[in-house]
Amino acid sequence: EIVLTQSPGTLSLSPGERATLSCRASQSVSRSYLAWYQQKPGQAPRLLIYGASSRATGIPDRFSGSGSGTDFTLTISRLEPEDFAVYYCQQYDSSPYTFGQGTKLEIK
Amino acid sequence: EVQLLESGEGLVQPGGSLRLSCAASGFTFSSYAMTWVRQAPGKGLEWVSTISSGGGSTYYADSVKGRFTISRDNSKNTLYLQMNGLRADDTAVYYCAKGMGNDYSSTWRFDYWGQGTLVTVSS
Repeated sequence: EIVLTQSPGTLSLSPGERATLSCRASQSVSRSYLAWYQQKPGQAPRLLIYGASSRATGIPDRFSGSGSGTDFTLTISRLEPEDFAVYYCQQYDSSPYTFGQGTKLEIK
Repeated sequence: EVQLLESGEGLVQPGGSLRLSCAASGFTFSSYAMTWVRQAPGKGLEWVSTISSGGGSTYYADSVKGRFTISRDNSKNTLYLQMNGLRADDTAVYYCAKGMGNDYSSTWRFDYWGQGTLVTVSS
């Protein structure tokens, strides 16, 4: 099973700042089969990024993904108030299709 | 507009059974794999089960294998999850989610999610 470890657990930033979220895999995620989701309280997750770096439909270009192998990053270039949420990475390289434990992005 | 609407929420005793449904609209349901993902209270996301577009292939997490059964009725645009032998650690919000596309990798990334339905297992 591929274990995904996200860091930091909580990130406190102000609107307008840049956010960098990390997702590290316990073994290589081949073909960059990694996705990022955003979840706000009481809501379902929303797909942001797939294939490590491709934005899903309707996702603003301030969201970008990068990385390969075991190290992946989600970057939000300039935080908007609506970006404060929990972010999860997910690998879909091999079963079971695991998620990271999440990074909570909170307003400083 | 894609919509996924789960139902079947309930409180069940340990060892009991429950069936969840997910009614889909706004897309060609029979063309996409569908998945159940759950989230225990205050916890992260856990992939539970996936079914192929035609229903011929099913996949399960080890934690539910042998107890849960995923199925679909493409004539009714509905996804199901039959849950038997429920345990306290099955308590969670259960989301149905649509696979992003028709190729293999797209099966396992989810572009639309329902709002979830709560399953509570307690005596």
